Amino acid sequence: GAGVSQSPRYKVAKRGQDVALRCDPISGHVSLFWYQQALGQGPEFLTYFQNEAQLDKSGLPSDRFFAERPEGSVSTLKIQRTQQEDSAVYLCASSHSSRGESNEQFFGPGTRLTVL
Amino acid sequence: AQTVTQSQPEMSVQEAETVTLSCTYDTSENNYYLFWYKQPPSRQMILVIRQEAYKQQNATENRFSVNFQKAAKSFSLKISDSQLGDTAMYFCAFMKPGAGSYQLTFGKGTKLSVIP
Repeated sequence: GAGVSQSPRYKVAKRGQDVALRCDPISGHVSLFWYQQALGQGPEFLTYFQNEAQLDKSGLPSDRFFAERPEGSVSTLKIQRTQQEDSAVYLCASSHSSRGESNEQFFGPGTRLTVL
Repeated sequence: AQTVTQSQPEMSVQEAETVTLSCTYDTSENNYYLFWYKQPPSRQMILVIRQEAYKQQNATENRFSVNFQKAAKSFSLKISDSQLGDTAMYFCAFMKPGAGSYQLTFGKGTKLSVIP
């Protein structure tokens, strides 16, 4: 079946604008993660959903970052009043469950956000 | 908090040769998972190999194998018979399973170039 998809693939925003990044996980995957990958770095965890419940948002860098997954499928990461330091690739990943062999995370292609 | 260290920012290997990428991690947990992910240029991240900490046997996947030294907290990746398609960023990652979130903690990555 289809993998994880993300849109848009590229986003340029002026400082102070709000942006919304979309993730479509693999169908039937319970768990969904958002990561932020700065240039030349490894991904860093932002937030985690199990179905529609946001169980961990400890990685969100500020209250300008907000994520939702209202129906337990598609997720949106919203960044308000964007700053230059928000420039990064935002990766979405999904997994079937948290248990054993099913905890492999499948990644989307990412959204590259550039804040001018 | 867990940390993952990849001490080799860049490596190169001749086609058909063998290369080993290093990874060390720091944790007080006894039960966890370790992963190597591959991120080709402009393409999405894919899982290469995984290791459960409670398994003493090193994981292997075709040309990819790991040397897992739990006491030393070391988890290196060996790529045999290197191919041009192995050129990519390689990330070592740690996961602590359990209640709540089970996010991945990544190292900074090693850029591997396979030379024809």
